[in-house]
Amino acid sequence: DQQVKQNSPSLSVQEGRISILNCDYTNSMFDYFLWYKKYPAEGPTFLISISSIKDKNEDGRFTVFLNKSAKHLSLHIVPSQPGDSAVYFCAASNGGATNKLIFGTGTLLAVQP
Amino acid sequence: DSGVTQTPKHLITATGQRVTLRCSPRSGDLSVYWYQQSLDQGLQFLIQYYNGEERAKGNILERFSAQQFPDLHSELNLSSLELGDSALYFCASSYNPGGQVVDEQYFGPGTRLTVT
Repeated sequence: DQQVKQNSPSLSVQEGRISILNCDYTNSMFDYFLWYKKYPAEGPTFLISISSIKDKNEDGRFTVFLNKSAKHLSLHIVPSQPGDSAVYFCAASNGGATNKLIFGTGTLLAVQP
Repeated sequence: DSGVTQTPKHLITATGQRVTLRCSPRSGDLSVYWYQQSLDQGLQFLIQYYNGEERAKGNILERFSAQQFPDLHSELNLSSLELGDSALYFCASSYNPGGQVVDEQYFGPGTRLTVT
């Protein structure tokens, strides 16, 4: 049972344009969501997070939007840069004592110069 | 550099063998998490230790075990290896005070295990 889904395996955008990566989840107990970026041969790197009590969180070029009623979140990157090309993973947690993360399968973003 | 170290980077072994993967968390972090990433898959949570004690288990096979030592480094032991165990194994750490606080996990570079 895939509780966190990233339905787009890949996305290609032009440099300077907006990149929108999407993520859906099924477990209504999730209350914290994170985005990680992963380059080849490296571990995932934390990008940005959002608590379920918010609907938006912004950090520089990165903004995460959360729609709890639709169980959907998205990551916006504006403007996109070639260095943003990587695999992006959405992850969710229901906090508590463990904080274990449930990951989606990732979306490969390619930003074309 | 996340501050989390993992050794070895690569490991090639034969079916039926046993291997140990090692992880040193970031300074000050008390929780260590292990994740498995198989080909074209997301990261699957295996197990978490907090300050030396097991805190949560995920989809970890009985052939796999882990422990966290007093200096907070952790080891993941994989035994009776099968071809399907070939994967990237990531360790992550966080301070994780638990309760209602969720803090970010910082990942190591991973160990690529190939079982032949």
